[in-house]
Amino acid sequence: GQNIDQPTEMTATEGAIVQINCTYQTSGFNGLFWYQQHAGEAPTFLSYNVLDGLEEKGRFSSFLSRSKGYSYLLLKELQMKDSASYLCAVRGMFSGGYNKLIFGAGTRLAVHP
Amino acid sequence: NAGVTQTPKFRILKIGQSMTLQCAQDMNHNYMYWYRQDPGMGLKLIYYSVGAGITDKGEVPNGYNVSRSTTEDFPLRLELAAPSQTSVYFCASSGSGGGETYEQYFGPGTRLTVT
Repeated sequence: GQNIDQPTEMTATEGAIVQINCTYQTSGFNGLFWYQQHAGEAPTFLSYNVLDGLEEKGRFSSFLSRSKGYSYLLLKELQMKDSASYLCAVRGMFSGGYNKLIFGAGTRLAVHP
Repeated sequence: NAGVTQTPKFRILKIGQSMTLQCAQDMNHNYMYWYRQDPGMGLKLIYYSVGAGITDKGEVPNGYNVSRSTTEDFPLRLELAAPSQTSVYFCASSGSGGGETYEQYFGPGTRLTVT
């Protein structure tokens, strides 16, 4: 089976740094994705990790530790437009040998001036 | 490229009615997916497909059916709509070449209310 846990809500101040954690348990692991979802909109891709370590993309970085079943998304120089939900999703090999992406419930981030 | 398109954007159904949610992609992706998202929750996988003619159940398939006759289209059928199916439905597609090609591209969603 699979279980993905993220904090439900977080708040942060404009210009600050925030770290959103994600822990997972899965019977098969083949990559971890982070998506951003603004209210009323579709999710959009932020990052992908399949090997241990840090992936950096501008103001956003994502870290993975496969042995610990742990990832985090780091957002630097926060802007008001970063207020959104952040979804952690794990890709694994499930029934039939096909890849599926299982999503966590998401973390709602509110950025305040 | 239009990416992933979904119709309709909004729909209100009465209990017991049926409808088909349409999804199409023009990125020549093999993999397509249907999710539902309840308020304040994450995405739950309903059905997915790895190519034309191949579909499989996700986490919450009951009350839904799918077909995949072409690479481009992946319609989702709701039979005998129930209030529990009130949700936002997202269709997505991805490549199948490994690694980051598995990134999923999402359609704009269909907001369905069953009363």
